[in-house]
Amino acid sequence: AQSVSQHNHHVILSEAASLELGCNYSYGGTVNLFWYVQYPGQHLQLLLKYFSGDPLVKGIKGFEAEFIKSKFSFNLRKPSVQWSDTAEYFCAVNAGSARQLTFGSGTQLTVLP
Amino acid sequence: EAQVTQNPRYLITVTGKKLTVTCSQNMNHEYMSWYRQDPGLGLRQIYYSMNVEVTDKGDVPEGYKVSRKEKRNFPLILESPSPNQTSLYFCASSSGPVIGQPQHFGDGTRLSIL
Repeated sequence: AQSVSQHNHHVILSEAASLELGCNYSYGGTVNLFWYVQYPGQHLQLLLKYFSGDPLVKGIKGFEAEFIKSKFSFNLRKPSVQWSDTAEYFCAVNAGSARQLTFGSGTQLTVLP
Repeated sequence: EAQVTQNPRYLITVTGKKLTVTCSQNMNHEYMSWYRQDPGLGLRQIYYSMNVEVTDKGDVPEGYKVSRKEKRNFPLILESPSPNQTSLYFCASSSGPVIGQPQHFGDGTRLSIL
């Protein structure tokens, strides 16, 4: 069964700091990977996705993620965070022929002005 | 406007009183799904549906039922709610093929079972 781990539960940064959120999955075959963001009081929105090709994926709002197959990782990065990036971030994986999307437990990001 | 609509947005009820949370999408999506979100656990899938009359259990189906009689609707039914079903619920849909397509989420339904 597929599973996703997000080891950072709560990250606090100052504005303009760089961000990296960890995501590791457990599945040995082909995967589709996603990062979703949930702003306070809102539903989840897609930030970026990886299906195949270039392992460095660029998403909305200056976010990017790198798929490293050998490490089973798909970490989210942003060079300079803003106060408006305060939200909860979820990594998700769809593995092989699975018909389900499995989410990690989420990382709460707080950006201090 | 493409959207997934859930109702109600908030509900406080008592143990054992049957309730239904409706979900409707206007994107002609084949795949629909229900999740519950609990602090520290992320989103866990309750049930999903590949198409009309095709439903399957997710990771936490106990205590829930679903039906998919029409493509646009995917209601979540709690026949006898219990306090451990107090949670934030999200409905989602995506286009076919199912695998890998990003999901569109509703605004959520916050259920409190007393």
